[in-house]
Amino acid sequence: AQSVAQPEDQVNVAEGNPLTVKCTYSVSGNPYLFWYVQYPNRGLQFLLKYITGDNLVKGSYGFEAEFNKSQTSFHLKKPSALVSDSALYFCAVGGVGGSQGNLIFGKGTKLSVKP
Amino acid sequence: NAGVTQTPKFQVLKTGQSMTLQCAQDMNHNSMYWYRQDPGMGLRLIYYSASEGTTDKGEVPNGYNVSRLNKREFSLRLESAAPSQTSVYFCASRRTGDYNEQFFGPGTRLTVL
Repeated sequence: AQSVAQPEDQVNVAEGNPLTVKCTYSVSGNPYLFWYVQYPNRGLQFLLKYITGDNLVKGSYGFEAEFNKSQTSFHLKKPSALVSDSALYFCAVGGVGGSQGNLIFGKGTKLSVKP
Repeated sequence: NAGVTQTPKFQVLKTGQSMTLQCAQDMNHNSMYWYRQDPGMGLRLIYYSASEGTTDKGEVPNGYNVSRLNKREFSLRLESAAPSQTSVYFCASRRTGDYNEQFFGPGTRLTVL
């Protein structure tokens, strides 16, 4: 069965430090992967996606993600965290099952950036 | 361009009451989705509509019905609400194509007493 795991419920980072939010996946075939961010009391916003090609994907707000096929991972990264990055982050995998466009979401990781 | 809109923003129901959550998108997207978000469980797909005139069950469809009224609108109905349906509900839409991202509405926070 296809699945996505975000092993950390919460990640704490000091402002200015690099941040990593982890995601691993388990799918048959070639996955395509997404990261979304949710600010308090808001809907999810798309950050970036991996389809194929370069393993390092750049997205919105200075975020990037590294796809690693051998480790089945798609970790979200940012070189220098901002307090405003504090939010809930979701990894998702698509191209699963018989329905195009349907996504399976991880349980989310709460990122807290302290000044 | 409003994107994806949802009404109402908040709702409190008593067990057994019914209600319809409304969703509309103005991006001319073919596909639309309903999710529920519960703490520690991420987003779970309730129903989706790949195109106007079609609907299909997702991961957690029990207790819900949907209607794809036209290309813009996709509603979610709770016929007899239960406390287990207390959740935040999100609607999303997506342009046709294998790798396109979904766009989400602001959500409806539903409490069933």
